[in-house]
Amino acid sequence: GAVVSQHPSWVICKSGTSVKIECRSLDFQATTMFWYRQFPKQSLMLMATSNEGSKATYEQGVEKDKFLINHASLTLSTLTVTSAHPEDSSFYICSAIRGDQPQHFGDGTRLSIL
Amino acid sequence: DAKTTQPPSMDCAEGRAANLPCNHSTISGNEYVYWYRQIHSQGPQYIIHGLKNNETNEMASLIITEDRKSSTLILPHATLRDTAVYYCIVRVVPSGNNNDMRFGAGTRLTVKP
Repeated sequence: GAVVSQHPSWVICKSGTSVKIECRSLDFQATTMFWYRQFPKQSLMLMATSNEGSKATYEQGVEKDKFLINHASLTLSTLTVTSAHPEDSSFYICSAIRGDQPQHFGDGTRLSIL
Repeated sequence: DAKTTQPPSMDCAEGRAANLPCNHSTISGNEYVYWYRQIHSQGPQYIIHGLKNNETNEMASLIITEDRKSSTLILPHATLRDTAVYYCIVRVVPSGNNNDMRFGAGTRLTVKP
């Protein structure tokens, strides 16, 4: 069964609003989670690494004030897209490391900004 | 992490074996070969990984050449549900802060009836 859960799976909102996406590790603690973004017909691009209890590490070109990441507990990381605009419409995917196992991914959140 | 090269697309007949190649000629001695797949509108799914020996699990087999510069993922009896984008990723075993998985373009496998 799934070991990483994302919510919501699909969200549509108006331009200018902020959207929060949750990523939860199920039945295990994840000190590190990752956020990816995927545009249509493209591969996944790593946005940031989320570390429990500390600031996230953002990839070059990703605006940290635009994409707020909070990893307040060992089972939950959130990504908030602030003042979202149509160009932020994308498929957002989180993942988590479980011990020495390969990375587990959530099923993604499709964000559409009107 | 070493760069990988995969064909952009492949077709396979249902019920036949699907053999997906991956070149990683710059792989280092401590880097593993990982395979993930992504079915449309879903998150990536882990398939298999290996260092130098061939590996097999309930989903697939991984054949790594002796010089480790290339590998092949084998789906022994492809079904329509195996239609997906398959990613070959070469990286060291996750440790400390070096845990992220970076994706290339992958191979779009289409299984046809």
